[in-house]
Amino acid sequence: DIQMTQSPSSLSASVGDRVTITCRASQSVTKYLNWYRQKPGKAPELLIYSASTLQSGVPSRFSGSGSGTDFTLTITSLHPDDFATYYCQQNYITPSTFGPGTTLDIK
Amino acid sequence: EVQLVESGGGLVQRGGSLRLSCEASGFTFSSYWMNWVRQAPGKGLEWVANIKQDGSEKYYMDSMKGRFTISRDNAKNSLYLQMNSLKVEDTAIYYCARLQLEPHSEAFDIWGQGTMVTVSS
Repeated sequence: DIQMTQSPSSLSASVGDRVTITCRASQSVTKYLNWYRQKPGKAPELLIYSASTLQSGVPSRFSGSGSGTDFTLTITSLHPDDFATYYCQQNYITPSTFGPGTTLDIK
Repeated sequence: EVQLVESGGGLVQRGGSLRLSCEASGFTFSSYWMNWVRQAPGKGLEWVANIKQDGSEKYYMDSMKGRFTISRDNAKNSLYLQMNSLKVEDTAIYYCARLQLEPHSEAFDIWGQGTMVTVSS
């Protein structure tokens, strides 16, 4: 199975800050890397698919980049709604696997 | 409104069985691969299984093969997960999720609200 890692595991920031989360795959997943945001007590929601494509309806402050094994999610100008846990996911090879998550909280 | 609604969770003893359901609405259910994903309390997301549009292909996480069975009824717009020989470590929220139809996408674009399964020892 492809192992996914994320860094940092947690991050403190303030409203208006810019943050970057990194995701690494144990082998190439080409561009099939997705990012989700999960607010407490809620289901995950898709933010970015295919490494860099913004899902319809998702604010443009979210962006993704990378290919192969190394990927980043960047959030510019944090909103209060963004304090949540972020997961990357590869769905290039079955079984699909998720990263362990990055929890973003308010400084 | 595009929606997935899970049901069937509950408390079950170790070794018992449970059948989860996921009812779809607001889209053509039969056009999509569907997935189950779970999340143990306070933990991350774990993919469980998926099923092709017509049910002809099914895939499972290794740890669930032989114990869990995914199925669907397109006439009822419903997805199912039959879980047998349940273990305490199967305790989790179980989500159904739709695989997006966008070209070059392998992402889950619609998720249900989840149903909680608790396996007691």
